[in-house]
Amino acid sequence: DAKTTQPTSMDCAEGRAANLPCNHSTISGNEYVYWYRQIHSQGPQYIIHGLKNNETNEMASLIITEDRKSSTLILPHATLRDTAVYYCIVRAINQAGTALIFGKGTTLSVSS
Amino acid sequence: GAVVSQHPSRVICKSGTSVKIECRSLDFQATTMFWYRQFPKQSLMLMATSNEGSKATYEQGVEKDKFLINHASLTLSTLTVTSAHPEDSSFYICSAGWGGASQHFGDGTRLSIL
Repeated sequence: DAKTTQPTSMDCAEGRAANLPCNHSTISGNEYVYWYRQIHSQGPQYIIHGLKNNETNEMASLIITEDRKSSTLILPHATLRDTAVYYCIVRAINQAGTALIFGKGTTLSVSS
Repeated sequence: GAVVSQHPSRVICKSGTSVKIECRSLDFQATTMFWYRQFPKQSLMLMATSNEGSKATYEQGVEKDKFLINHASLTLSTLTVTSAHPEDSSFYICSAGWGGASQHFGDGTRLSIL
């Protein structure tokens, strides 16, 4: 899997948009960008994934640059419950039988 | 959606005790499940891959005789920490693949060895 680079930590005010960047300059053509988050003392939670088009679901939006070397996860209206560690993982779609490998992620702190 | 259930959520026991943790896929069949360990303020570290009907595959540095994994059915994998010691205290998390390359995770087991 391609390596990803994320900032160690970010702060966001409640109600504002949280934009979490991820660099994946060595991504291959068949690799997707996945985002997970881990709230304290819980298992990781799937957020969203995408290949090259921007994606949106009920939790977040994913913006992938045209060259696919970086992406941004957007939480449009952050709440206190969005405080968590966010992991950006690059992975081929045919790797359902292999484990996810986690980096250090970005610790997002949302405050009122 | 797919759900992975992990039990127990927390266990406290004396040194030397063996502890079993269960991981169940509730609404899908998982031929492969994964076990992770997470120490405070660190990321998840993959311990082993659990394969239904065959032996587990362990990551380098993980003692297979200490961390026994059994995956006897398509919905259940168990991790047994044998003769646990204080250094085995950690947060243990399982996951299973479903729907492409995404994974679904249990809520973890907080193991504390006194």
